[in-house]
Amino acid sequence: EPEVTQTPSHQVTQMGQEVILRCVPISNHLYFYWYRQILGQKVEFLVSFYNNEISEKSEIFDDQFSVERPDGSNFTLKIRSTKLEDSAMYFCASSKAGRNTGELFFGEGSRLTVL
Amino acid sequence: AQRVTQPEKLLSVFKGAPVELKCNYSYSGSPELFWYVQYSRQRLQLLLRHISRESIKGFTADLNKGETSFHLKKPFAQEEDSAMYYCALRGGATNKLIFGTGTLLAVQP
Repeated sequence: EPEVTQTPSHQVTQMGQEVILRCVPISNHLYFYWYRQILGQKVEFLVSFYNNEISEKSEIFDDQFSVERPDGSNFTLKIRSTKLEDSAMYFCASSKAGRNTGELFFGEGSRLTVL
Repeated sequence: AQRVTQPEKLLSVFKGAPVELKCNYSYSGSPELFWYVQYSRQRLQLLLRHISRESIKGFTADLNKGETSFHLKKPFAQEEDSAMYYCALRGGATNKLIFGTGTLLAVQP
């Protein structure tokens, strides 16, 4: 069964460094998402991406964040200058549709630790 | 504002006992409600959604618009049901999910 894959599984970085988290969505899916979960807190929506552009973003997704689909298969989340509070589990997800039958399929997550 | 509330962080039951995981939501329109489950060391996966009105692994959930609830129920818990359960809402023209804080279900032998 096809799965969403994410790399790296864990990344440790220094505050102020740039980080890129990578995701390979399921191949015939059209909608892509990033969510994050700070330890002990709820899973929070960051951004959705469709047709090569951001379709929706949350207040969390400020200018420090960007997403890209550079080569038609990867979907990346970049944090330009990491802060301590960016430490979290970042989940990528994809879906065939945005609503109705648009079940989200999640990756296993990338744990980001900012020191 | 859209909000999902799961009042219990932990629910511990014995095998064979009934289970009810509570979920209440706040949304002014007609929402889509979901239950996602995360077993130990596995990814988040969809368990069921209200529009399907189906039973998955013995679990059911009924959307009660009057009480704005979408509680997850199972008549007889199994040890393999032990997991983190998240209620989620999608509403309006958005395609984002709003998650609750999750309930850890622990089924004791």
